[in-house]
Amino acid sequence: DVKVTQSSRYLVKRTGEKVFLECVQDMDHENMFWYRQDPGLGLRLIYFSYDVKMKEKGDIPEGYSVSREKKERFSLILESASTNQTSMYLCASSLEDHNQPQHFGDGTRLSIL
Amino acid sequence: GNSVTQMEGPVTLSEEAFLTINCTYTATGYPSLFWYVQYPGEGLQLLLKATKADDKGSNKGFEATYRKETTSFHLEKGSVQVSDSAVYFCARNSGYSTLTFGKGTMLLVSP
Repeated sequence: DVKVTQSSRYLVKRTGEKVFLECVQDMDHENMFWYRQDPGLGLRLIYFSYDVKMKEKGDIPEGYSVSREKKERFSLILESASTNQTSMYLCASSLEDHNQPQHFGDGTRLSIL
Repeated sequence: GNSVTQMEGPVTLSEEAFLTINCTYTATGYPSLFWYVQYPGEGLQLLLKATKADDKGSNKGFEATYRKETTSFHLEKGSVQVSDSAVYFCARNSGYSTLTFGKGTMLLVSP
């Protein structure tokens, strides 16, 4: 069965810290995505990657970076966490074919104090 | 740019009622369309999809038909259950296999 695993369900960090959110998929998918989900705003795409070492900015990349050194792993990095980055973060993966759906992890609820 | 608009919630229904959640999309290109469901505390799960005009996606009693003439993909179910209570997201694909999501519609079903 398809599996996307996010390393933490809940995370609490302090303002200014460097934060790493990890995501691993076991389906050999080419594409991986990071979203944040906020009440009333739905899902917004932060970054995505269509191949190892490749990355593309989404709609709201400011304050974030990503790393994809291996096909199965896609990391989201908050360079210097701020309180407005408190949110639910969702990772997803998909095959290269744009008609194929994305498969999501269970999310990481991140609080920045 | 691409966008998806879905009805605001919450939608509150009694068990066995008929459900419709409206979704419209911008007509740029020929997108595939998706409905996802999010249960409390979980990520999104694919509910159904349609890849071309007049296709009907269906799963677990839910249906949606790709209507190119009205740029719509409304979600329907004939008889909802309490276990259907969740947030439902409509989405269309955009460039690079990315998805553009609607803001989500919460469904609350009471016994």
